[in-house]
Amino acid sequence: DIQLTQSPSTLSASVGDRVTITCRATQNINSWLAWYQQKPGKAPKLLIYKASGLESGVPSRFSGSGSGTEFTLTISSLQPDDFATYYCQHFDTYSTFGQGTKLEIK
Amino acid sequence: EVQVVESGGGLVQPGGSLRLPCAASGFTFSSYWMSWVRQAPGKGLEWVANINQDGSEKHYVDSVRGRFTISRDNAQNSLFLQMDSLRAEDTAVYYCAKNRGTGYPRPGPPDYWGQGTLVTVSS
Repeated sequence: DIQLTQSPSTLSASVGDRVTITCRATQNINSWLAWYQQKPGKAPKLLIYKASGLESGVPSRFSGSGSGTEFTLTISSLQPDDFATYYCQHFDTYSTFGQGTKLEIK
Repeated sequence: EVQVVESGGGLVQPGGSLRLPCAASGFTFSSYWMSWVRQAPGKGLEWVANINQDGSEKHYVDSVRGRFTISRDNAQNSLFLQMDSLRAEDTAVYYCAKNRGTGYPRPGPPDYWGQGTLVTVSS
């Protein structure tokens, strides 16, 4: 089974900071990776599909990169609305999520 | 506007059963894979199951295989999750989600999610 490991688990940052979250897969998943943002009590929101594709309506400060086993989500300049938990997901007939990264205000 | 709306959650005893319906609208339901994803209280997301466009292909996470059944009714634009032999560890918010199209015979990531329905398994 493919497993995804996100790092860090918690990230403290300030408005305006550039932040990067990493997701590592236990085997090659090509570009079949997505990133989500989730706020408390809400459903996840798709940000990035197929490793680097920006979902419609998502601000351009979000970007994704990587392929194979290592992927990153970058937020170029943090905004107050960005403090949330972020998940990576390998999507396929069998799917799995990373454990999540909580982005907190420093 | 794309909408998916789950219902059917509630309190059930260990060993019991529950059926979760999900009503979809605003898109051509029969053209997309659909999924169920759950989230235990205070925990991360866990993919549960998915189903292809005509219901001929279904996949499950190991922990629910043989106990849960995903199905769909394309005439009624509805997705279902039949949950049997429920355990305490199945307690979670269950989300219904539409999968993004990929152009391949495989599902894309969920791009539209319902608000979730809480299932609590407890005596």
